[in-house]
Amino acid sequence: GNSVTQMEGPVTLSEEAFLTINCTYTATGYPSLFWYVQYPGEGLQLLLKATKADDKGSNKGFEATYRKETTSFHLEKGSVQVSDSAVYFCALSDRSGYSTLTFGKGTMLLVSP
Amino acid sequence: DTAVSQTPKYLVTQMGNDKSIKCEQNLGHDTMYWYKQDSKKFLKIMFSYNNKELIINETVPNRFSPKSPDKAHLNLHINSLELGDSAVYFCASSQVGAGWYNEQFFGPGTRLTVL
Repeated sequence: GNSVTQMEGPVTLSEEAFLTINCTYTATGYPSLFWYVQYPGEGLQLLLKATKADDKGSNKGFEATYRKETTSFHLEKGSVQVSDSAVYFCALSDRSGYSTLTFGKGTMLLVSP
Repeated sequence: DTAVSQTPKYLVTQMGNDKSIKCEQNLGHDTMYWYKQDSKKFLKIMFSYNNKELIINETVPNRFSPKSPDKAHLNLHINSLELGDSAVYFCASSQVGAGWYNEQFFGPGTRLTVL
């Protein structure tokens, strides 16, 4: 079956630090990959996505590259802000007709001023 | 404009009660989902409906019964609530087959607390 593994949190950084949150996956075929973000007390928002190998998703300064050879989709940001404090979820969707999202366990990011 | 809305946002109730959570989407999507997020933030799919038909039913107790009156609505009814049902329940929607992305749009969640 499909699975997503994320690094355990919380990740604690100072403002303007570099961020990496690791994500690896197991899936049959060629899944689509996503990063979702959940701000405190809110629902999930799509942060970025990539649908095929070597695609780079980017949004709000965050980036992730779909690496088929290492089955990874690591999230990076060059300079984090306090407002980036949230829980980040890596997810995949396989290409069957009614596939659901398989989520990782989430990584909490805490950014201090 | 709210894309996926849920009501209520908070629900506090006693063990043994029956309660419902409502979800509506105005995105014109054909597929809707219910997820459960536990206290450790882990998200698990519960149900999925496509064009009002149940297509995914994960291992969920029979006390949970989804109902989809039309494509834009997916409600969740829970009978005989138990302490372990306390969680945040998220509704989501997507357009299946739209480039295989299955990008899902989530509601704000309903925090259910069973006392």
